[in-house]
Amino acid sequence: GQQVMQIPQYQHVQEGEDFTTYCNSSTTLSNIQWYKQRPGGHPVFLIQLVKSGEVKKQKRLTFQFGEAKKNSSLHITATQTTDVGTYFCAGLRNTGNQFYFGTGTSLTVIP
Amino acid sequence: DAGVTQSPTHLIKTRGQQVTLRCSPKSGHDTVSWYQQALGQGPQFIFQYYEEEERQRGNFPDRFSGHQFPNYSSELNVNALLLGDSALYLCASRTLGLAQFFGPGTRLTVL
Repeated sequence: GQQVMQIPQYQHVQEGEDFTTYCNSSTTLSNIQWYKQRPGGHPVFLIQLVKSGEVKKQKRLTFQFGEAKKNSSLHITATQTTDVGTYFCAGLRNTGNQFYFGTGTSLTVIP
Repeated sequence: DAGVTQSPTHLIKTRGQQVTLRCSPKSGHDTVSWYQQALGQGPQFIFQYYEEEERQRGNFPDRFSGHQFPNYSSELNVNALLLGDSALYLCASRTLGLAQFFGPGTRLTVL
């Protein structure tokens, strides 16, 4: 069954509004990675989180790893049209070397 | 420094045929993973190669096989193609503990 779920599946926002996508795993993760995929492109690595409760920021993007290491979130402040794409989380379980990708959140930014 | 490269970029095959896709990892990376991404879905892990051996395998049939060469490049082979094998095939490389970098992918269409 699906190992990693993301919500929402789709999100339309007005340019300048904030955006958040949530990632939930059925099992504890050793680390989690976030990727952005533009339409017609391939996933591009954004960040990796390893520690429980870790928070990392990249300009307008804030990434958080849950205390239980089973969930994560990506928050974008004041979205821009360049933020358009699908955002995926990918979790690595404590056993094995397989990354489980989430279902993705497709972000549309309306100018 | 070239990133991950894949060939060919596009491929059209008919049912029952066999296909070989190729991947060259990013310089300094020794681990290669292959993913299948159907339209509108997240990447699904096929398998991972390290030190020329398959280290981890996802839920894919034996029709999917691979190889890693001493220079860390890799091939993905799919036998007896089915219509459902039509997808974007992504190769990702990394070295232990670091981020995965994806190649541009090979778009396979099975008619």
